Amino acid sequence: LAKTTQPISMDSYEGQEVNITCSHNNIATNDYITWYQQFPSQGPRFIIQGYKTKVTNEVASLFIPADRKSSTLSLPRVSLSDTAVYYCLVESGGFKTIFGAGTRLFVKA
Amino acid sequence: GAGVSQSPRYKVAKRGQDVALRCDPISGHVSLFWYQQALGQGPEFLTYFQNEAQLDKSGLPSDRFFAERPEGSVSTLKIQRTQQEDSAVYLCASSLVSRGSDTQYFGPGTRLTVL
Repeated sequence: LAKTTQPISMDSYEGQEVNITCSHNNIATNDYITWYQQFPSQGPRFIIQGYKTKVTNEVASLFIPADRKSSTLSLPRVSLSDTAVYYCLVESGGFKTIFGAGTRLFVKA
Repeated sequence: GAGVSQSPRYKVAKRGQDVALRCDPISGHVSLFWYQQALGQGPEFLTYFQNEAQLDKSGLPSDRFFAERPEGSVSTLKIQRTQQEDSAVYLCASSLVSRGSDTQYFGPGTRLTVL
């Protein structure tokens, strides 16, 4: 199973773009990259998933370079409500999903 | 629409008691996962069901932990002879198909406190 490395925490201000980078040097050919968001007292919530290049949805963008050894979650114009923990996962055919410690994002006014 | 629900939301147990935690997945979802989340940590995988079959239980920390999903829908996680180190939030998630990369939908969790 690929192991991921993310910053422990990040600070930002409202209205800024936030980029959280995740390293996954041992990613396998069949692995997808998935990001989840978790607020206090709630379960994680799916944000975005990708395999290569760039994926964008209404919430975020995910940038994956050609070697796929890292990925960057981009949150445009964050607000206070984006304060949460963000988890980067790599997963494929197995079901033992590994979350890691995640990145704690603090958005300040 | 209805999401994943878990009950109870909070459970306080005395050390040595048995507890049962319930998960109601999204209707029609094939896959069901249980996780344990300690304070300040990410969710730790416990076990996985595909319909009623428990295909992976490698994350269960001891033989005091037991999970079942007898009819392929509702699941119960049972912890026997609870210990203080079992105090955590227990999360349940379900996904539509049995593909490992499929989106998981999480419930709110059950916070277990063992005194």
